[in-house]
Amino acid sequence: DAGITQSPRHKVTETGTPVTLRCHQTENHRYMYWYRQDPGHGLRLIHYSYGVKDTDKGEVSDGYSVSRSKTEDFLLTLESATSSQTSVYFCAISPLAGTNTGELFFGEGSRLTVL
Amino acid sequence: GQNIDQPTEMTATEGAIVQINCTYQTSGFNGLFWYQQHAGEAPTFLSYNVLDGLEEKGRFSSFLSRSKGYSYLLLKELQMKDSASYLCAVRLRDYKLSFGAGTTVTVRA
Repeated sequence: DAGITQSPRHKVTETGTPVTLRCHQTENHRYMYWYRQDPGHGLRLIHYSYGVKDTDKGEVSDGYSVSRSKTEDFLLTLESATSSQTSVYFCAISPLAGTNTGELFFGEGSRLTVL
Repeated sequence: GQNIDQPTEMTATEGAIVQINCTYQTSGFNGLFWYQQHAGEAPTFLSYNVLDGLEEKGRFSSFLSRSKGYSYLLLKELQMKDSASYLCAVRLRDYKLSFGAGTTVTVRA
């Protein structure tokens, strides 16, 4: 199994508070992703990173920021949480596509509830 | 934007075969993936197609037609443990992976 851990696994917070989710990998993979999963919508990409300090927006990036200062860590920050950001957040990692399929390996997920 | 469609739910009997279809319209195509996700768990990789045709891996097979923007996942000899959501995902040229909403398969005895 790919070495990928997310923290915290569960969090309950109040509207307007900042929240940071951490994704840590031990695989030295180049690509890292943050997705959110909601009923009826499947997995939607928030942000992704293709290297240290190299990030790009996904389809639902409003209200979220990311940082990647080291290969192994990818942080997702909600500057001011809203109830619409209640969701399950998945981090994923992928090796550089080339001779392999470059599939994504997912973390266990972080369940965030914003009251 | 990306448009990836798959049925919401399917039900089948243990030992039977089920085919989950996926159609897509995307800007740029760089491979199609199928993932399995059990309730409350993370998605896990099942199959990958980048060229047209059928890829077989044990009880699971996946087919791709790029000209038709169409793929299917075939699950044979269904087992109770196959009850899960199956996610179709298209990889774009910038290595973003865009997912469909998923198909929940229920296997009944």
